[in-house]
Amino acid sequence: QVQLVQSGAEVKKPGSSVKVSCKASGGTFGRYAISWVRQAPGQGLEWMGGFIPIFGTANYAQKFQGRVTITTDESTTTVYMEMSSLRSEDTAVYYCARTYSGYDPPRYYYYYMDVWGKGTTVTVSS
Amino acid sequence: EIVLTQSPGTLSLSPGERATLSCRASQSVSSSYLAWYQQKPGQAPRLLIYGTSSRATGIPDRFSGSGSGTDFTLTISRLEPEDFAVYYCQQYGSSQKLTFGGGTKVEIK
Repeated sequence: QVQLVQSGAEVKKPGSSVKVSCKASGGTFGRYAISWVRQAPGQGLEWMGGFIPIFGTANYAQKFQGRVTITTDESTTTVYMEMSSLRSEDTAVYYCARTYSGYDPPRYYYYYMDVWGKGTTVTVSS
Repeated sequence: EIVLTQSPGTLSLSPGERATLSCRASQSVSSSYLAWYQQKPGQAPRLLIYGTSSRATGIPDRFSGSGSGTDFTLTISRLEPEDFAVYYCQQYGSSQKLTFGGGTKVEIK
């Protein structure tokens, strides 16, 4: 049974950075992609980007290009999401999720998400 | 970017009733690549349906999905008490441009 365990809540100042971790256990790491999805208070879901271990590639939604970096440590089966230049609008719950993916050269595709972490609350406040 | 519009915003129904949730896309969704999720307060989303009509593992058969092109529907045949939640549709037909609908809340009448 695959589980995704996320790091704890963070409180950050505007302009700073945050790094959230997502450790996968109980499955074969690398067979699936990991996506990051966020949810602002009382709002809907927003896909930020993902990482496909078998291709070693990270991909980002246009909105987050240049401000979000997704990396992985295969030795610990952990995926990280780092966001810089934080602003109050980044206050949200950040989820990692196992994602079915594909590759049709030259494009990578992220499909649906079937296993989710419990979420990490990031609060940006001065 | 494909914009998904869900309706209604809120659906007030009683246990045992049938729920019909709509998800409309701003352009055709490639290969019917549409999924549905359920989210309860304080919890992560849960995958219900993928590929428009395939139920995820462990999802009861009272949940069904249908549609094509730009119009998709999630139907809950008989609402159980645990089904009252927010439901989101998500399209994945565009490379690296996954989008979600704004959600439909199913509340107890």
